[in-house]
Amino acid sequence: NAGVTQTPKFQVLKTGQSMTLQCAQDMNHNSMYWYRQDPGMGLRLIYYSASEGTTDKGEVPNGYNVSRLNKREFSLRLESAAPSQTSVYFCASSEVAGYTFGSGTRLTVV
Amino acid sequence: KNEVEQSPQNLTAQEGEFITINCSYSVGISALHWLQQHPGGGIVSLFMLSSGKKKHGRLIATINIQEKHSSLHITASHPRDSAVYICAVGLDYGGSQGNLIFGKGTKLSVKP
Repeated sequence: NAGVTQTPKFQVLKTGQSMTLQCAQDMNHNSMYWYRQDPGMGLRLIYYSASEGTTDKGEVPNGYNVSRLNKREFSLRLESAAPSQTSVYFCASSEVAGYTFGSGTRLTVV
Repeated sequence: KNEVEQSPQNLTAQEGEFITINCSYSVGISALHWLQQHPGGGIVSLFMLSSGKKKHGRLIATINIQEKHSSLHITASHPRDSAVYICAVGLDYGGSQGNLIFGKGTKLSVKP
C-alpha cells in the first residue's frame, strides 16, 4: 500500500540512550517532515527536508538530528534521550496535492 | 497569540446531529488542511483547500480567504466519526508548498 511507513511504533528508552526513528515513503514525494505531538499542543515541526540532500531545522530541533538518506527515507535520531522528548512522533511527506502522515511512534523516555 | 485557532476544543453530539468545527488563522496561507486522528491512531488528511468548498461523503469543508476562516461540517454524524479533527495551514511562500502550522485540535465524541 502506498504511504508513509514509520518504525518502530512504540519505544521505551532510558535517559541518555540513543535511537533512530525510521521513515520511508513510496509516493515519490520531494518533501518530508518530522513532527512531535504533545498533549494540549498542536503538532510541532522538528526538522524538514525539501528535497533529497537538504535538511532544515523546524520549530523544536534541539536534541535531534536528521538524515535524508535518499528520496524515500528520512530518519530522526535522538543522540542522548531526555524525558522531555517523551512524545508521539509523526513523519510526513508532501507534494503539491497534499500531505500524507505515518502512523506515529510513541516514545517514552524514563 | 496562536496563529491557528480552533473551536470548540471539545464537542459531544448525538448520533445523527449536524456538526460544525471552526478554524481561524492570522497569517497568509497557500492552503488549509483538515486532518482526522482517531484515538491512538495515525493522522489522515481529509481535505486540502485554498478557496470555496469541498465535499467528500458526509464531510464538507469551506474556506473564506478574506475572513481567514474555515469550517468543517459533518452531516448525519455517526459514532465512528469520533476523533480529533485538526486544522492546519500551509504558509504562503510565494505560491510554493510551505510547512504546516497546526491548531490544537477539536475532540469530537458522537454518542449512539
